[in-house]
Amino acid sequence: DGGITQSPKYLFRKEGQNVTLSCEQNLNHDAMYWYRQDPGQGLRLIYYSQIVNDFQKGDIAEGYSVSREKKESFPLTVTSAQKNPTAFYLCASSIKYRETQYFGPGTRLLVL
Amino acid sequence: QQQVKQSPQSLIVQKGGISIINCAYENTAFDYFPWYQQFPGKGPALLIAIRPDVSEKKEGRFTISFNKSAKQFSLHIMDSQPGDSATYFCAASDLAAGNKLTFGGGTRVLVKP
Repeated sequence: DGGITQSPKYLFRKEGQNVTLSCEQNLNHDAMYWYRQDPGQGLRLIYYSQIVNDFQKGDIAEGYSVSREKKESFPLTVTSAQKNPTAFYLCASSIKYRETQYFGPGTRLLVL
Repeated sequence: QQQVKQSPQSLIVQKGGISIINCAYENTAFDYFPWYQQFPGKGPALLIAIRPDVSEKKEGRFTISFNKSAKQFSLHIMDSQPGDSATYFCAASDLAAGNKLTFGGGTRVLVKP
């Protein structure tokens, strides 16, 4: 079964805690992306990576960090510096220099 | 400016009717315009996409119309079905700048049987 998996489906964060969201793809895609979706709103780009060991900030990178040590994995850490982390987080991937981005099922992050 | 403005925020259409969603953009470097469909609690799925060298693209009941001079594009859903009830997002990107998608705010479509 090829595709993008995100885990966990739901994640609860305590005050001052860092949490990490997992994104794995077995599509052999070069590029991976993280988006944030707030209720009733469109998606906003947090970070993206075109190649292993390289990534760039998107429009709302503050309070987030990423790593890209393997082609198939692009984890997102929501740090304690992100003061309003409650949102639906979506990971996507695409073939390098090709248009179509495929999205995972998402992780809903809630603050306790 | 990277904004993509989408309207309406929501619409209700009778089964068999036509749903029309409009988007406008500002960045003239954008050269890829996809539409995504999203069901509650799920990730968006690509519905149809267009490049600016064509003015219209049709796939089944879904048609994109593109007006480069006006910097506007729209999605038409013909013969709308209850299963089309979802939120639709337009987006735009500059492929040469990393294919970072800029999304519109979304349109919630309800198709009444």
